[in-house]
Amino acid sequence: TQLLEQSPQFLSIQEGENLTVYCNSSSVFSSLQWYRQEPGEGPVLLVTVVTGGEVKKLKRLTFQFGDARKDSSLHITAAQPGDTGLYLCAGVRTSGSRLTFGEGTQLTVNP
Amino acid sequence: EAGVAQSPRYKIIEKRQSVAFWCNPISGHATLYWYQQILGQGPKLLIQFQNNGVVDDSQLPKDRFSAERLKGVDSTLKIQPAKLEDSAVYLCASSISGVLNEQFFGPGTRLTVL
Repeated sequence: TQLLEQSPQFLSIQEGENLTVYCNSSSVFSSLQWYRQEPGEGPVLLVTVVTGGEVKKLKRLTFQFGDARKDSSLHITAAQPGDTGLYLCAGVRTSGSRLTFGEGTQLTVNP
Repeated sequence: EAGVAQSPRYKIIEKRQSVAFWCNPISGHATLYWYQQILGQGPKLLIQFQNNGVVDDSQLPKDRFSAERLKGVDSTLKIQPAKLEDSAVYLCASSISGVLNEQFFGPGTRLTVL
């Protein structure tokens, strides 16, 4: 059983469409991060959220941390081919000290 | 500022052989991590160092995997002997101090065990 469940696992959309990916858990997290990973490279941090209900925006990307700090979502508006990549959520549980990653959502944006 | 450096980028070996990976973290970063990323999965922490001390190695298969960070700077990860299921990308990351700080990842070493 994965500590962090991401959905969908795969997503293929056309340029200009909107999308949302989800990261869910039954555990409470002190912080949650979203990364993007491109082929042949390591993950790159996009955002860190620490407060329940927190919303952060990064250009066309909107990140939300659930009120109970058990889940998070990433919304992309008007997706572009450059958004293609593996999106990973990762969190540190309130009861732990290790950063645990979800399985990722592979996003493909077609021109 | 230079990023996290890893070598080699690719390695192909036969099962039961040994292999070593090298990582040089960002200068001044006290914490260094080794992750294993199997195709289609997220990275899994193998070991975390704080300076030259081990903080967490609970997920490291110690019968075949070993890692060291002798001078608190660069690090090596070794597998001996390798198994087919060790085929994966091995990622090194570093942070200023601790998991709540941003982790910067290297490009990884892709290991194929035949």
